[in-house]
Amino acid sequence: RKEVEQDPGPFNVPEGATVAFNCTYSNSASQSFFWYRQDCRKEPKLLMSVYSSGNEDGRFTAQLNRASQYISLLIRDSKLSDSATYLCVVEKKSSGDKLTFGTGTRLAVRP
Amino acid sequence: GAGVSQSPSNKVTEKGKDVELRCDPISGHTALYWYRQSLGQGLEFLIYFQGNSAPDKSGLPSDRFSAERTGGSVSTLTIQRTQQEDSAVYLCASSAGRVDTQYFGPGTRLTVL
Repeated sequence: RKEVEQDPGPFNVPEGATVAFNCTYSNSASQSFFWYRQDCRKEPKLLMSVYSSGNEDGRFTAQLNRASQYISLLIRDSKLSDSATYLCVVEKKSSGDKLTFGTGTRLAVRP
Repeated sequence: GAGVSQSPSNKVTEKGKDVELRCDPISGHTALYWYRQSLGQGLEFLIYFQGNSAPDKSGLPSDRFSAERTGGSVSTLTIQRTQQEDSAVYLCASSAGRVDTQYFGPGTRLTVL
């Protein structure tokens, strides 16, 4: 089983739609979780951290379910500019606590 | 302030040649990571430096790959006897601590002919 698994998509949605991505992780001892965004042919950039109680940043909501070992990202009122690949990132509790990236979920928002 | 910089931005080389890729992290960041990303694929972890600790080399795909970080700052990733399957974008990232936000450089696109 991969350490971090994501549905690669693509998710094709119209502007204004609500879309949700899930990500599962295998190490139950993982403590830190993040969502990164990567635009085509660009480097990844931090979108938001994921806190145990769930957190919201504008149209974006991140949630953590420790019991089921998954995190989610919800995007409301999708914009064309949201089109990108969304990377799930989990802290690996070994080898110096480095972060492990999922392969990403591609989102395409159409007019 | 300045972000993470990488050089060269593009490198085309012939199979069997050695290449060196450079990363300048954000000043003061103790952690530095190298990743590789093939077209349409996710990030593949290569190596991780944290302060003065021994680097985590667990992601290096073969002994043709090596990396150094001099003086806790600049890092060089060296690929010896390059192969066509080494073609990818090599990304460097730095962070202030072990699990702090990683800031990525723009990457070096390596093409091995």
